[in-house]
Amino acid sequence: SQKIEQNSEALNIQEGKTATLTCNYTNYSPAYLQWYRQDPGRGPVFLLLIRENEKEKRKERLKVTFDTTLKQSLFHITASQPADSATYLCALDIRDGLNDMRFGAGTRLTVKP
Amino acid sequence: DAGITQSPRHKVTETGTPVTLRCHQTENHRYMYWYRQDPGHGLRLIHYSYGVKDTDKGEVSDGYSVSRSKTEDFLLTLESATSSQTSVYFCAISDGGARGETQYFGPGTRLLVL
Repeated sequence: SQKIEQNSEALNIQEGKTATLTCNYTNYSPAYLQWYRQDPGRGPVFLLLIRENEKEKRKERLKVTFDTTLKQSLFHITASQPADSATYLCALDIRDGLNDMRFGAGTRLTVKP
Repeated sequence: DAGITQSPRHKVTETGTPVTLRCHQTENHRYMYWYRQDPGHGLRLIHYSYGVKDTDKGEVSDGYSVSRSKTEDFLLTLESATSSQTSVYFCAISDGGARGETQYFGPGTRLLVL
């Protein structure tokens, strides 16, 4: 069966450390993988997109990797801050010719001061 | 929230009643989507639209219908609400329908079916 799993429901880290979130998938062959941030009571907000032929993508303190052999994406936040506390969702495109995405359930990150 | 509004933002209704949720965008994007979000399931696509009067089913479409009579409005109707449809509903838009296109989400509607 097809699944998208994000490593844990919740992750707690200390301010200044690097947060690493995992997205694993099975029986999909996405051409793209996206990461979104969702704050309580709000809709998800797009952060980064990585293509299947890209190993790594960076944006400021964010870094995403995409390993199509392992069927895994890692999302890193370096020098984390309490303002980074949110739920992070990964999303895979699943259909040729149409923007049809499947989302993981998300990982709730808490950065403690 | 990228020029997307949803109404109502909160609704309580009774089992068996019809409910309509509205999504309105000011971005003139062609593609619009309705998702539901439940604990442990992530976002699941209900229906989407690729143009005025052009809609199609998503992953969890049973019990839902949609209509799009104008570019800016996408309506989601629960024909006869059930308790299993208690959820948070998000509308999203994208400029194109190409694979991997970024989607922009509205603020959500919290629906409780008693």
